[in-house]
Amino acid sequence: AQSVTQPDIHITVSEGASLELRCNYSYGATPYLFWYVQSPGQGLQLLLKYFSGDTLVQGIKGFEAEFKRSQSSFNLRKPSVHWSDAAEYFCAVGPYGGSQGNLIFGKGTKLSVKP
Amino acid sequence: GAVVSQHPSRVICKSGTSVKIECRSLDFQATTMFWYRQFPKQSLMLMATSNEGSKATYEQGVEKDKFLINHASLTLSTLTVTSAHPEDSSFYICSALPRANTEAFFGQGTRLTVV
Repeated sequence: AQSVTQPDIHITVSEGASLELRCNYSYGATPYLFWYVQSPGQGLQLLLKYFSGDTLVQGIKGFEAEFKRSQSSFNLRKPSVHWSDAAEYFCAVGPYGGSQGNLIFGKGTKLSVKP
Repeated sequence: GAVVSQHPSRVICKSGTSVKIECRSLDFQATTMFWYRQFPKQSLMLMATSNEGSKATYEQGVEKDKFLINHASLTLSTLTVTSAHPEDSSFYICSALPRANTEAFFGQGTRLTVV
């Protein structure tokens, strides 16, 4: 079955520290991979996406993610976290070449940032 | 980026009444829109895919007669929750896919509370 697993429900990091949010997926074919951020009461904002090519993807707000096919992972990283990064982060997978609106989401990881 | 507006952002209604949620693409035409539902501490689950001028395609387990979807124009899709019950209380979010089919853009979501 197709699924996305975000093993960490809640992560707390200090401002200025590095961050890595984990995402593993199970998908029957080559997937499209996405990371979204959701602030309280807000919709989703796309941070970055991977379709093909370079497995290290750069996104907005200083985020990057690395696609590792052998590990079925697409972990999100940021070298130095800012207080404004506190939010919920969702990893999602979609069908390669298919509609990019029909996505399967993980359960999300809530990020808290300590001063 | 493209803007998708969802209205209302919050709504409280009485059991047995119907509630309509609008999803508008403000600066692009969207042939396809998607409706998701997000339970507390859970991920977004796709409810249905809405194509302009045709009937919506519902995911397994979603009641078509309860969640009425209308995609009457290339910039507007509506979700009507009919005969709402407290268990319908949730966060509903839409996304819209431009004609170019590059990426889907999300609305800010609607928090529905049925009392």
